[in-house]
Amino acid sequence: NAGVTQTPKFRVLKTGQSMTLLCAQDMNHEYMYWYRQDPGMGLRLIHYSVGEGTTAKGEVPDGYNVSRLKKQNFLLGLESAAPSQTSVYFCASSYSSSNEAFFGQGTRLTVV
Amino acid sequence: GESVGLHLPTLSVQEGDNSIINCAYSNSASDYFIWYKQESGKGPQFIIDIRSNMDKRQGQRVTVLLNKTVKHLSLQIAATQPGDSAVYFCAPTDTGRRALTFGSGTRLQVQP
Repeated sequence: NAGVTQTPKFRVLKTGQSMTLLCAQDMNHEYMYWYRQDPGMGLRLIHYSVGEGTTAKGEVPDGYNVSRLKKQNFLLGLESAAPSQTSVYFCASSYSSSNEAFFGQGTRLTVV
Repeated sequence: GESVGLHLPTLSVQEGDNSIINCAYSNSASDYFIWYKQESGKGPQFIIDIRSNMDKRQGQRVTVLLNKTVKHLSLQIAATQPGDSAVYFCAPTDTGRRALTFGSGTRLQVQP
């Protein structure tokens, strides 16, 4: 039982490049979330999903897209990376919004 | 939302002392509250939760107090240890709210 797994763990992008971050969970959770965390700051919700095939915007969705084609996977895409998107990205999953969320180990993204 | 992206305040305590970390929330509909601990370089981990029909809940060395009247909750850590050094986040939520968002965290530093 791996929990929540994020790939990759580290990535350096050039401005304008695109990439996809993958989140996989093996707990059969309905809810999945993507957050960003800037140095010394809290977690801000980017997008989330309440079930397979559904997605919704969070607090800071601009510049990101997501997809939830399979229940166990939640993909975060950056179409044209900007230096302001340099951050640590965390994925999480839970049974519902009223249950604890389990987090991945994070992806450290640097955009130069 | 509850997450405001502010720089984290720091609480410094001596090893063995008790620590109290506070969290104010704004949504009066919040009925479920979770505390998470985030160690350096890792994703947040669940510590303890409390539902709105309670005003106190105890775990191992931790106690959460909820005051719905003033929309405030606190996390008390007894006999603080060096391993307690981390950032602590509260996550107020409600059953009508589909996304998990975080309050501004507090960095706990335990001095030997």
